[in-house]
Amino acid sequence: EADIYQTPRYLVIGTGKKITLECSQTMGHDKMYWYQQDPGMELHLIHYSYGVNSTEKGDLSSESTVSRIRTEHFPLTLESARPSHTSQYLCASSEFGAGRVQYFGPGTRLTVT
Amino acid sequence: DQQVKQNSPSLSVQEGRISILNCDYTNSMFDYFLWYKKYPAEGPTFLISISSIKDKNEDGRFTVFLNKSAKHLSLHIVPSQPGDSAVYFCAASIGGNTDKLIFGTGTRLQVFP
Repeated sequence: EADIYQTPRYLVIGTGKKITLECSQTMGHDKMYWYQQDPGMELHLIHYSYGVNSTEKGDLSSESTVSRIRTEHFPLTLESARPSHTSQYLCASSEFGAGRVQYFGPGTRLTVT
Repeated sequence: DQQVKQNSPSLSVQEGRISILNCDYTNSMFDYFLWYKKYPAEGPTFLISISSIKDKNEDGRFTVFLNKSAKHLSLHIVPSQPGDSAVYFCAASIGGNTDKLIFGTGTRLQVFP
């Protein structure tokens, strides 16, 4: 099972601030993902990465950006936070050929005031 | 258009009895189906999966059944325990290089004594 970490766990921030949500995994997985989830709703994929220097936008349009310069690290950045960005952000990773199983971090609950 | 649907937002079951959680899908190209369990303020935890070439997979108290002709799968938990109380998400993968998952909206299971 993957060990995957997210910081911060909770963040309350004012409109217009720049934020970076951190995600790291220690299992050497090539594939990493960011999901957004609102209460009572499904998880929506907003970004994914096949490996270093590879990033793609997911199915749900997002104003956030991501980078992947190290295998273990996949941070998500919002240049100017808005109240509409309030949500839970979940990071996940997977290993090729492992039956599609993705392992999730604990999530970051973001509130923009 | 939601490709993975969990039509029951909640389910209440007595401890020791069977819990049955249902999921319907529309895309016949899905090749793997997964069930995740999520506690509040935590990330989803992988429970069990099934390949589209199978119709049943069992792991301890958890069994997943797949009915391809009906595009329906179900998760059976027996016997149910209070610690099983959580939100359960059904997810499906279309495969390819990304292993992207499409999630349902979840079913909240409550197991009472």
